[in-house]
Amino acid sequence: EPEVTQTPSHQVTQMGQEVILRCVPISNHLYFYWYRQILGQKVEFLVSFYNNEISEKSEIFDDQFSVERPDGSNFTLKIRSTKLEDSAMYFCASSETGGRGHTIYFGEGSWLTVV
Amino acid sequence: GQQLNQSPQSMFIQEGEDVSMNCTSSSIFNTWLWYKQDPGEGPVLLIALYKAGELTSNGRLTAQFGTTRKDSFLNISASIPSDVGIYFCAGQLRNFGAGKSTFGDGTTLTVKP
Repeated sequence: EPEVTQTPSHQVTQMGQEVILRCVPISNHLYFYWYRQILGQKVEFLVSFYNNEISEKSEIFDDQFSVERPDGSNFTLKIRSTKLEDSAMYFCASSETGGRGHTIYFGEGSWLTVV
Repeated sequence: GQQLNQSPQSMFIQEGEDVSMNCTSSSIFNTWLWYKQDPGEGPVLLIALYKAGELTSNGRLTAQFGTTRKDSFLNISASIPSDVGIYFCAGQLRNFGAGKSTFGDGTTLTVKP
Protein backbone atom coordinates (compact mmCIF):
# COMPACT_ATOMS: atom_id res chain seq x y z
CA GLU A 1 0.00 0.00 0.00
CA PRO A 2 1.36 3.46 -0.85
CA GLU A 3 2.47 5.48 2.13
CA VAL A 4 3.60 8.92 3.20
CA THR A 5 7.26 8.88 4.15
CA GLN A 6 8.96 11.36 6.44
CA THR A 7 12.57 12.16 7.25
CA PRO A 8 14.23 12.40 9.65
CA SER A 9 12.44 10.12 12.09
CA HIS A 10 14.08 11.95 14.97
CA GLN A 11 16.06 15.20 15.13
CA VAL A 12 17.65 16.97 18.06
CA THR A 13 18.43 20.63 17.52
CA GLN A 14 19.70 23.58 19.51
CA MET A 15 17.24 26.34 20.34
CA GLY A 16 17.42 29.05 17.71
CA GLN A 17 18.54 26.74 14.93
CA GLU A 18 16.62 26.21 11.71
CA VAL A 19 15.07 22.82 11.05
CA ILE A 20 13.68 21.36 7.84
CA LEU A 21 11.39 18.35 8.04
CA ARG A 22 10.86 16.47 4.82
CA CYS A 23 7.94 14.48 3.51
CA VAL A 24 7.20 12.51 0.38
CA PRO A 25 3.42 12.40 -0.02
CA ILE A 26 1.67 9.63 -1.91
CA SER A 27 2.42 10.20 -5.56
CA ASN A 28 -1.04 10.94 -6.99
CA HIS A 29 -2.18 13.03 -4.04
CA LEU A 30 -2.93 16.70 -4.47
CA TYR A 31 -3.51 17.96 -0.90
CA PHE A 32 -0.76 18.05 1.68
CA TYR A 33 -0.82 18.79 5.38
CA TRP A 34 1.39 19.24 8.40
CA TYR A 35 0.17 18.44 11.91
CA ARG A 36 2.02 18.31 15.18
CA GLN A 37 1.51 16.42 18.42
CA ILE A 38 3.20 17.49 21.61
CA LEU A 39 4.01 14.47 23.78
CA GLY A 40 0.87 13.18 25.47
CA GLN A 41 -1.38 15.75 23.85
CA LYS A 42 -3.77 15.87 20.93
CA VAL A 43 -2.93 16.23 17.28
CA GLU A 44 -2.95 19.86 16.13
CA PHE A 45 -3.43 21.12 12.60
CA LEU A 46 -0.68 23.39 11.28
CA VAL A 47 -1.23 23.95 7.59
CA SER A 48 -2.80 22.59 4.42
CA PHE A 49 -1.32 23.06 0.96
CA TYR A 50 -2.88 22.70 -2.47
CA ASN A 51 -1.91 23.82 -5.94
CA ASN A 52 1.41 25.19 -4.71
CA GLU A 53 -0.03 27.45 -2.10
CA ILE A 54 -1.23 27.39 1.47
CA SER A 55 -4.99 26.84 1.56
CA GLU A 56 -5.46 27.10 5.30
CA LYS A 57 -3.30 27.49 8.39
CA SER A 58 -3.80 27.52 12.13
CA GLU A 59 -2.77 30.12 14.67
CA ILE A 60 0.19 27.89 15.56
CA PHE A 61 1.61 28.35 12.05
CA ASP A 62 3.19 31.75 12.60
CA ASP A 63 5.99 33.51 10.75
CA GLN A 64 8.66 31.11 11.96
CA PHE A 65 7.02 28.30 9.97
CA SER A 66 7.00 27.87 6.22
CA VAL A 67 6.16 25.11 3.79
CA GLU A 68 7.43 24.39 0.34
CA ARG A 69 7.05 21.88 -2.44
CA PRO A 70 10.47 22.30 -4.02
CA ASP A 71 9.98 19.61 -6.65
CA GLY A 72 7.35 17.16 -7.79
CA SER A 73 7.72 14.79 -4.89
CA ASN A 74 8.87 16.51 -1.69
CA PHE A 75 6.89 18.63 0.73
CA THR A 76 8.87 20.36 3.46
CA LEU A 77 8.18 22.16 6.73
CA LYS A 78 10.79 24.69 7.81
CA ILE A 79 11.00 26.09 11.32
CA ARG A 80 13.23 29.14 11.14
CA SER A 81 14.35 29.66 14.71
CA THR A 82 13.32 26.77 16.92
CA LYS A 83 12.03 27.25 20.45
CA LEU A 84 11.83 24.72 23.26
CA GLU A 85 8.06 24.55 22.85
CA ASP A 86 8.48 23.41 19.24
CA SER A 87 9.49 19.99 20.57
CA ALA A 88 6.84 17.64 19.23
CA MET A 89 6.07 14.92 16.75
CA TYR A 90 5.40 16.47 13.35
CA PHE A 91 3.15 14.53 11.01
CA CYS A 92 2.93 15.04 7.30
CA ALA A 93 -0.26 13.88 5.59
CA SER A 94 -1.70 13.83 2.11
CA SER A 95 -5.00 13.14 0.39
CA GLU A 96 -5.95 12.47 -3.18
CA THR A 97 -8.75 14.97 -3.24
CA GLY A 98 -10.28 17.32 -0.77
CA GLY A 99 -13.81 16.25 -1.41
CA ARG A 100 -16.11 13.75 0.21
CA GLY A 101 -14.77 10.29 0.67
CA HIS A 102 -11.14 11.36 0.61
CA THR A 103 -8.86 9.65 3.06
CA ILE A 104 -6.05 11.57 4.69
CA TYR A 105 -2.97 9.38 4.99
CA PHE A 106 -0.52 10.27 7.74
CA GLY A 107 3.20 9.54 7.76
CA GLU A 108 4.87 8.02 10.79
CA GLY A 109 6.09 11.37 11.98
CA SER A 110 9.32 13.23 12.65
CA TRP A 111 10.11 13.63 16.29
CA LEU A 112 11.75 17.01 16.94
CA THR A 113 13.54 17.68 20.20
CA VAL A 114 14.71 21.25 20.82
CA VAL A 115 17.33 21.60 23.55
CA GLY B 1 -10.62 28.57 18.73
CA GLN B 2 -12.96 25.62 18.47
CA GLN B 3 -12.71 22.96 21.14
CA LEU B 4 -13.72 19.33 21.07
CA ASN B 5 -14.51 17.50 24.28
CA GLN B 6 -13.84 13.80 23.91
CA SER B 7 -14.89 11.25 26.49
CA PRO B 8 -14.04 9.08 28.18
CA GLN B 9 -10.36 9.93 28.51
CA SER B 10 -9.49 6.26 28.93
CA MET B 11 -11.22 2.90 29.00
CA PHE B 12 -10.16 -0.48 30.33
CA ILE B 13 -12.34 -3.26 28.98
CA GLN B 14 -12.41 -7.02 28.64
CA GLU B 15 -11.96 -8.61 25.24
CA GLY B 16 -15.34 -9.14 23.62
CA GLU B 17 -17.01 -6.14 25.23
CA ASP B 18 -18.50 -3.30 23.25
CA VAL B 19 -17.03 0.19 23.51
CA SER B 20 -18.58 3.60 23.09
CA MET B 21 -16.87 6.97 23.00
CA ASN B 22 -18.08 10.40 21.99
CA CYS B 23 -17.12 13.90 21.07
CA THR B 24 -18.99 17.12 21.67
CA SER B 25 -18.37 20.65 20.52
CA SER B 26 -19.81 24.03 21.36
CA SER B 27 -19.85 24.90 17.66
CA ILE B 28 -20.98 23.22 14.48
CA PHE B 29 -18.81 21.06 12.27
CA ASN B 30 -19.69 19.92 8.75
CA THR B 31 -17.42 16.88 8.81
CA TRP B 32 -16.61 14.50 11.64
CA LEU B 33 -13.64 12.15 11.44
CA TRP B 34 -12.52 9.31 13.69
CA TYR B 35 -8.87 8.22 13.82
CA LYS B 36 -6.88 5.52 15.62
CA GLN B 37 -3.26 6.06 16.61
CA ASP B 38 -0.92 3.27 17.63
CA PRO B 39 2.21 4.10 19.64
CA GLY B 40 4.93 5.69 17.52
CA GLU B 41 2.75 5.92 14.44
CA GLY B 42 0.60 8.47 12.71
CA PRO B 43 -3.19 8.55 13.02
CA VAL B 44 -5.14 6.29 10.68
CA LEU B 45 -8.55 7.40 9.46
CA LEU B 46 -11.27 4.95 10.53
CA ILE B 47 -14.53 6.62 9.54
CA ALA B 48 -15.52 9.93 7.92
CA LEU B 49 -18.98 11.45 8.34
CA TYR B 50 -20.27 14.25 6.11
CA LYS B 51 -23.95 14.71 6.87
CA ALA B 52 -25.93 15.33 10.04
CA GLY B 53 -27.57 12.12 11.19
CA GLU B 54 -25.30 9.95 9.06
CA LEU B 55 -24.54 6.52 10.50
CA THR B 56 -21.56 4.73 8.96
CA SER B 57 -19.96 1.38 9.68
CA ASN B 58 -16.48 0.04 9.00
CA GLY B 59 -16.34 -3.58 10.10
CA ARG B 60 -16.91 -3.67 13.86
CA LEU B 61 -16.82 0.13 14.04
CA THR B 62 -19.89 2.32 13.79
CA ALA B 63 -19.92 6.10 13.98
CA GLN B 64 -22.68 8.66 13.83
CA PHE B 65 -22.78 12.34 12.99
CA GLY B 66 -25.08 13.98 15.53
CA THR B 67 -28.18 15.74 14.25
CA THR B 68 -27.15 19.01 15.89
CA ARG B 69 -23.78 18.78 14.07
CA LYS B 70 -22.15 19.38 17.43
CA ASP B 71 -21.43 15.80 18.38
CA SER B 72 -20.41 12.38 17.16
CA PHE B 73 -19.95 8.95 18.67
CA LEU B 74 -17.91 5.90 17.83
CA ASN B 75 -18.85 2.37 18.83
CA ILE B 76 -16.62 -0.68 18.64
CA SER B 77 -18.36 -4.02 18.95
CA ALA B 78 -16.82 -7.23 20.25
CA SER B 79 -13.45 -5.66 21.06
CA ILE B 80 -10.23 -7.56 20.38
CA PRO B 81 -6.69 -6.95 21.69
CA SER B 82 -5.58 -5.16 18.50
CA ASP B 83 -8.20 -2.47 19.15
CA VAL B 84 -5.80 -1.10 21.76
CA GLY B 85 -4.69 2.43 20.95
CA ILE B 86 -5.72 6.05 21.14
CA TYR B 87 -8.88 7.06 19.32
CA PHE B 88 -9.27 10.66 18.23
CA CYS B 89 -12.27 12.47 16.90
CA ALA B 90 -11.75 15.46 14.62
CA GLY B 91 -14.09 18.04 13.21
CA GLN B 92 -13.84 20.11 10.07
CA LEU B 93 -15.90 23.09 9.04
CA ARG B 94 -15.48 22.33 5.36
CA ASN B 95 -16.51 19.11 3.67
CA PHE B 96 -14.68 19.83 0.47
CA GLY B 97 -11.17 21.00 -0.20
CA ALA B 98 -8.31 20.70 2.24
CA GLY B 99 -9.51 22.05 5.52
CA LYS B 100 -8.43 22.61 9.07
CA SER B 101 -9.16 19.70 11.39
CA THR B 102 -9.69 20.25 15.09
CA PHE B 103 -8.83 17.15 17.10
CA GLY B 104 -10.22 15.94 20.41
CA ASP B 105 -7.92 14.98 23.28
CA GLY B 106 -8.25 11.27 22.53
CA THR B 107 -9.62 8.18 24.25
CA THR B 108 -7.02 5.62 25.28
CA LEU B 109 -8.43 2.12 24.95
CA THR B 110 -6.94 -0.86 26.76
CA VAL B 111 -8.35 -4.31 26.03
CA LYS B 112 -7.63 -7.12 28.47
CA PRO B 113 -7.54 -10.58 26.89
